[in-house]
Amino acid sequence: EIVLTQSPATLSLSPGERATLSCRASQSLSSSRLAWYQQQRGQAPRLLIYYASTRATGIPDRFSGSESGTDFTLTITRLEPEDFAVYHCHQYATSPGTFGQGTRVEV
Amino acid sequence: QVQLVQSGAEVRKPGASVKISCKTSGYAFTNYFIHWVRQAPGQGLESLGMISPDGGSVSYSHKLQGRVTITQDTSTTTVFLEVSGLRSEDTALYYCTRGLINSYLSPFDYWGQGTLVTVSS
Repeated sequence: EIVLTQSPATLSLSPGERATLSCRASQSLSSSRLAWYQQQRGQAPRLLIYYASTRATGIPDRFSGSESGTDFTLTITRLEPEDFAVYHCHQYATSPGTFGQGTRVEV
Repeated sequence: QVQLVQSGAEVRKPGASVKISCKTSGYAFTNYFIHWVRQAPGQGLESLGMISPDGGSVSYSHKLQGRVTITQDTSTTTVFLEVSGLRSEDTALYYCTRGLINSYLSPFDYWGQGTLVTVSS
């Protein structure tokens, strides 16, 4: 099973600041099959990024994804109030896929 | 618009079974895989399995293999998740979700609202 390790567990920032979230895979992901989701409290996750760097429909361009080997990064260039949430990475290179434990971005 | 509407909360005793439904609408049902994901209280997300659009292919997580069954009714565009031999650690919010790509290897673009299953004696 591919293990995803997210860091940090919690990121404390202010609106307008830049957020950098990390997700490390225990092995290489074929075709960069890594997605990022945002989850607001009490809501289902929302797809932000897939194939490591492709923004999903309707996602603002302040969200971007990148990869370097087995290290994946989600960057939010300028935090808006609605961006404070939990972020999950998800590898879908195997079936079923696996998720990281999440990073909480808080004020 | 695409919608996945799940059945309501359930409470079961240990050892019992539960069957959750996921009614889909707003898209061509036979073109997309449906996956199930759960989230225990305060925990991360866990993939449980998926079913192909024609229902001919189903796969499950190794952790729940033998206790989980995914089925579908194409006539009502509804997908079902049944979990048997329930344990306290199965207490979680269960989500159905649609695969973005017509493949078993896919991220998930639309999600149901979640069904809370509580296992308690």
